[in-house]
Amino acid sequence: NAGVTQTPKFQVLKTGQSMTLQCAQDMNHNSMYWYRQDPGMGLRLIYYSASEGTTDKGEVPNGYNVSRLNKREFSLRLESAAPSQTSVYFCASSESGARQPQHFGDGTRLSIL
Amino acid sequence: GQQLNQSPQSMFIQEGEDVSMNCTSSSIFNTWLWYKQDPGEGPVLLIALYKAGELTSNGRLTAQFGITRKDSFLNISASIPSDVGIYFCAGLRSGSARQLTFGSGTQLTVLP
Repeated sequence: NAGVTQTPKFQVLKTGQSMTLQCAQDMNHNSMYWYRQDPGMGLRLIYYSASEGTTDKGEVPNGYNVSRLNKREFSLRLESAAPSQTSVYFCASSESGARQPQHFGDGTRLSIL
Repeated sequence: GQQLNQSPQSMFIQEGEDVSMNCTSSSIFNTWLWYKQDPGEGPVLLIALYKAGELTSNGRLTAQFGITRKDSFLNISASIPSDVGIYFCAGLRSGSARQLTFGSGTQLTVLP
């Protein structure tokens, strides 16, 4: 199915471990986003990429890095995971000119012990 | 960041009833959005509103951009079981995605 694909779907890490969350979209969208969703809260923007080769910090970028590998892929990396980063992570994409995420992946559920 | 107050936090309604939920802020927004999230899935964009006073429908869903630009409403008519989920509002203050703020969601349960 066309859309936004995230891997893995679930992951458990120990404090201090590193990992990369993968995201790919096949809709030829320019803009891609990474959000985190915590219980009882709205989604918060971690990083976004308006186009290939550009990335910008969102509301909660600390502890994360991103890489816009090409137009299709936008990865999120945790260099040294902390329990506060336990969350559900969503990748999203949108067309050029759209100011909001239009299509979301199904999320990565990350637990850090 | 900016805060959006979304209410109610949860609703239990009978199938066939109409539903109303709203989102308010102390700040002015230029765009209001409504998303729905099913369990285990990502949010889906339902309606986007770009002008104060705008009223937009998507099937049984109708949303309005408040005249003051500080609030928005979502109505669902004749609810059905598949309407179950979490509904999020989101407001955008400017042209940058960094300025998009999400509400905390309304959990809707439809009872048969």
